[in-house]
Amino acid sequence: DTAVSQTPKYLVTQMGNDKSIKCEQNLGHDTMYWYKQDSKKFLKIMFSYNNKELIINETVPNRFSPKSPDKAHLNLHINSLELGDSAVYFCASSHDFQREGDEQFFGPGTRLTVL
Amino acid sequence: DAKTTQPNSMESNEEEPVHLPCNHSTISGTDYIHWYRQLPSQGPEYVIHGLTSNVNNRMASLAIAEDRKSSTLILHRATLRDAAVYYCILGYSGTYKYIFGTGTRLKVLA
Repeated sequence: DTAVSQTPKYLVTQMGNDKSIKCEQNLGHDTMYWYKQDSKKFLKIMFSYNNKELIINETVPNRFSPKSPDKAHLNLHINSLELGDSAVYFCASSHDFQREGDEQFFGPGTRLTVL
Repeated sequence: DAKTTQPNSMESNEEEPVHLPCNHSTISGTDYIHWYRQLPSQGPEYVIHGLTSNVNNRMASLAIAEDRKSSTLILHRATLRDAAVYYCILGYSGTYKYIFGTGTRLKVLA
């Protein structure tokens, strides 16, 4: 059973389109995250949710809107896609961000290509 | 923000131990030291973490300097499957926002 799953695995789209990436975790965790890994392989946190509440928003453009319908899901919706949005997006989860040394479990990633 | 410094790349022969260093001279007293690795085309995976004492688990050992300004991840017997980018990360108290650096790309030679 996959602990953290993401769909789709690959996403190719045109500039200006709106797209969503879905993430689900079956670990019973309270905290979920979205990370972006750019072409230079830098991995940077974008958002974090705890019990469906936003706790970290790393000055990500308003075009990015995370949505957490329940604790097991954190979806990422992107409006008006730009070339610079091309990257690999990773979802992750952990028991509780406030727990010291909390281990994060990452999904397999979604490679987004904006043409 | 406290940052970490790691060598860009390292090489090891298969079946030999590997010592991956990390400097974190501005670490604060409550920051945990985490190590994750990212295999090709996969998401990062947890390796080990510690606060002050050395730590061992089935994957690796973590040796933490007495002043906590540096640490070393030890893979006791490198295998080809250990070829990955290894990230040393400080866990910020309260938010646990991970700041990933550039990591060390480990190449394991057969």
